[in-house]
Amino acid sequence: KNEVEQSPQNLTAQEGEFITINCSYSVGISALHWLQQHPGGGIVSLFMLSSGKKKHGRLIATINIQEKHSSLHITASHPRDSAVYICAVGQNYGGSQGNLIFGKGTKLSVKP
Amino acid sequence: DAGVIQSPRHEVTEMGQEVTLRCKPISGHNSLFWYRQTMMRGLELLIYFNNNVPIDDSGMPEDRFSAKMPNASFSTLKIQPSEPRDSAVYFCASSFGTYTQYFGPGTRLTVL
Repeated sequence: KNEVEQSPQNLTAQEGEFITINCSYSVGISALHWLQQHPGGGIVSLFMLSSGKKKHGRLIATINIQEKHSSLHITASHPRDSAVYICAVGQNYGGSQGNLIFGKGTKLSVKP
Repeated sequence: DAGVIQSPRHEVTEMGQEVTLRCKPISGHNSLFWYRQTMMRGLELLIYFNNNVPIDDSGMPEDRFSAKMPNASFSTLKIQPSEPRDSAVYFCASSFGTYTQYFGPGTRLTVL
């Protein structure tokens, strides 16, 4: 069993829909990351969170430490949101970031 | 800041040849990470450095892989001898303390 599980693997939505991507993990963590990988391959860090909720524009990330679960929400989705969204969990080490363990990613396609 | 810089962006080589990938982290960052991404296994950590010191190299596949960080502004990942199964996209990322990681554009390696 993978230490980080994402669902769904693939998601197709119509423009304007509300989207939720889920991430469950089985290890102790210091922080959880949501990354976005564009069709061209570049990776951008969207959020790093260790508790509660963070919001940036149309993106919202939540985490429940007790349940070892996080969700990434996209409101009013747009075709430019089409990308692979990757959940990763990490453990800090000596005041710095340590290893990240990655989920397999969720491929999102938003149709106009 | 120019972000994390990786070179080359693309590398095509023949089996048995030595390959050297290069990374310049963001100035002031004290952690550097090398990742590999394949279709089969997704993103995996190979090795990471804190303050130029290798902390965890358990992800390095075998002795053919080696990584160095001679100073805070430069790191190399070397594969010798290369094999077709090493074909992948190799990402370098850097961070400061426990803050988020910034990814480079990646090097797409093809070993024929």
